[in-house]
Order: sequence, then structure tokens, then C-alpha cells
Amino acid sequence: KNEVEQSPQNLTAQEGEFITINCSYSVGISALHWLQQHPGGGIVSLFMLSSGKKKHGRLIATINIQEKHSSLHITASHPRDSAVYICAVGPGGGADGLTFGKGTHLIIQP
Amino acid sequence: NAGVTQTPKFRILKIGQSMTLQCAQDMNHNYMYWYRQDPGMGLKLIYYSVGAGITDKGEVPNGYNVSRSTTEDFPLRLELAAPSQTSVYFCASRRDGEAFFGQGTRLTVV
Repeated sequence: KNEVEQSPQNLTAQEGEFITINCSYSVGISALHWLQQHPGGGIVSLFMLSSGKKKHGRLIATINIQEKHSSLHITASHPRDSAVYICAVGPGGGADGLTFGKGTHLIIQP
Repeated sequence: NAGVTQTPKFRILKIGQSMTLQCAQDMNHNYMYWYRQDPGMGLKLIYYSVGAGITDKGEVPNGYNVSRSTTEDFPLRLELAAPSQTSVYFCASRRDGEAFFGQGTRLTVV
């Protein structure tokens, strides 16, 4: 069974700071997901990646398959980025469900 | 496309009552999932389905039942609700690995 560990659990930063959230997993995977959950809200998929790096706006996700590690970066952070960021790993195109980390609670202060 | 739609958003149940959490998706995805999210924990898989008429247990299926009579709908049934089933429930669908989540149902059993 895959174990997914995220760090830090909680992060408070000032607006404009560069943010890094880390995710490690124990067993080789086909795909890693970064998800965003606003308080009381649903879950939105930010990235799915199986190698390398992806960028969307101010968000960048990287993965190192050999080291079983991924990072989510936020550049020029803004208070609207405040949310819980969740790392999940899964079987790529297979049917099995995802295995989730506990999430990182990010607060960006103005 | 509405994506994944869950109803209700909130519900309070008394111990021993039963209810059905509804989930529908309009993306023609074969793979659908029910997860529960407890405070401080990663989402856990309850049940999943790979297509109409096919369902299978996840990590925490006890106390729940599902059915999948159509591609669109994947309801989750709670029989004899217990306080341990107080949680936030998320329905999700997947295609080509990418995950789509509903807005969640916050259920309290008292």
C-alpha cells in the first residue's frame, strides 16, 4: 500500500512569497495529482503528472520518479491562494482509486 | 458540462437512520469513486465502479452500499447510520487518469 507524506502540514506566508509544498510516496506510481480544496469547498484538480514539470499560471509542479518525490510551487503568492493543497498518487489510466496525503493548509496573509 | 454533481450538500442524520448520497456526472466517464474525508486525514476510498453494473469495495466499505445502474449515476447508501460515519463525502470520476470531484456532502450523525 502506498504511503503519501506531505510537508509542511501548515504554512503561513506573506503575500508575494514563493511557496513550496512537498510530497513523498513510498511505492512507484503511474501518476501524481496535486489538488486544491478551499474551506468548505469542493476539490479541484490542479495537475496530473507522471514525469518532469508542469506549469499553469503561477503554479508549478515537479516530480522526480527515482526519488519518489514531488513539489508544488506557487510564485508571487496571493491571499486567494489560501487553501488546502492535497497530493494524491494513483494508477494513471487504471481504475484503482487514488491514495491521498493529509494535505497542506496554506494561509497567505496580505 | 456540469461535471460531477453531488446532493445534498449538508445533512444531519440520527443514529440508525438511512440515507442515499447522490452523485451524477455528465462526462461519460466509466470510472467513479466515493471517498470520505475525516479531519486531519487523507481521503479514504469507500467504493468504486469501473462501469455500469460493476462495483467494488475500497479501503473503508463497512456500513455503505453502492449501485451503478447507469454510467451517469453512482449513489452511495448508508444503512443504520452511526456517529463514525460523520464525515465529508466526495464523489469523483476519472478518465485517462485525470480526476474530477464533486463539491462534497457534509454529513453529521447524531
